[in-house]
Amino acid sequence: KQEVTQIPAALSVPEGENLVLNCSFTDSAIYNLQWFRQDPGKGLTSLLLIQSSQREQTSGRLNASLDKSSGRSTLYIAASQPGDSATYLCAVRYDYNFNKFYFGSGTKLNVKP
Amino acid sequence: DGGITQSPKYLFRKEGQNVTLSCEQNLNHDAMYWYRQDPGQGLRLIYYSQIVNDFQKGDIAEGYSVSREKKESFPLTVTSAQKNPTAFYLCATRQGPSYEQYFGPGTRLTVT
Repeated sequence: KQEVTQIPAALSVPEGENLVLNCSFTDSAIYNLQWFRQDPGKGLTSLLLIQSSQREQTSGRLNASLDKSSGRSTLYIAASQPGDSATYLCAVRYDYNFNKFYFGSGTKLNVKP
Repeated sequence: DGGITQSPKYLFRKEGQNVTLSCEQNLNHDAMYWYRQDPGQGLRLIYYSQIVNDFQKGDIAEGYSVSREKKESFPLTVTSAQKNPTAFYLCATRQGPSYEQYFGPGTRLTVT
């Protein structure tokens, strides 16, 4: 069974802090990995997509890395702001069934002003 | 205004009734997905469709049915056979194999 794990489940940090969210997966035969943000009661918003051939992707204050051999991806958020408070989810697709996404349970981030 | 629309935002039904959730997209994406989200859990795949008139079961298809008669539309019916239908339902699309997935705003279904 393919599993995607996100630790910690919740994180609270003061405004301005740099932080790292983790995503672990069980199989290195990864097709790509996508990071999302979800606000309460809303749909998911795509943040970054990393293909299996890439090591990292950047968008503004966000940087996502991918290490297939260790089965890990990290989402780095620089200079966090209260508006970054949300749940962050990662989703993995594998080579043998790239139509299917495997989701982690998410990390709920609270950035305190 | 482009994107994915799901209607209604909130839906209430009595136990034993079938209910259909709407998902429409104008992104011209080929693939469409239905997920269920329960508190504290990740998304679980119900059904997905790669092209018109074709769809595959996901991990939790029992008690659900779908159709894909048009590229733009992928409605989900929650039948009375679904034992715990109360949940947040999310529709998503994807343009091609290497592309990212996009989500609609979701429908919260409450069955009493």
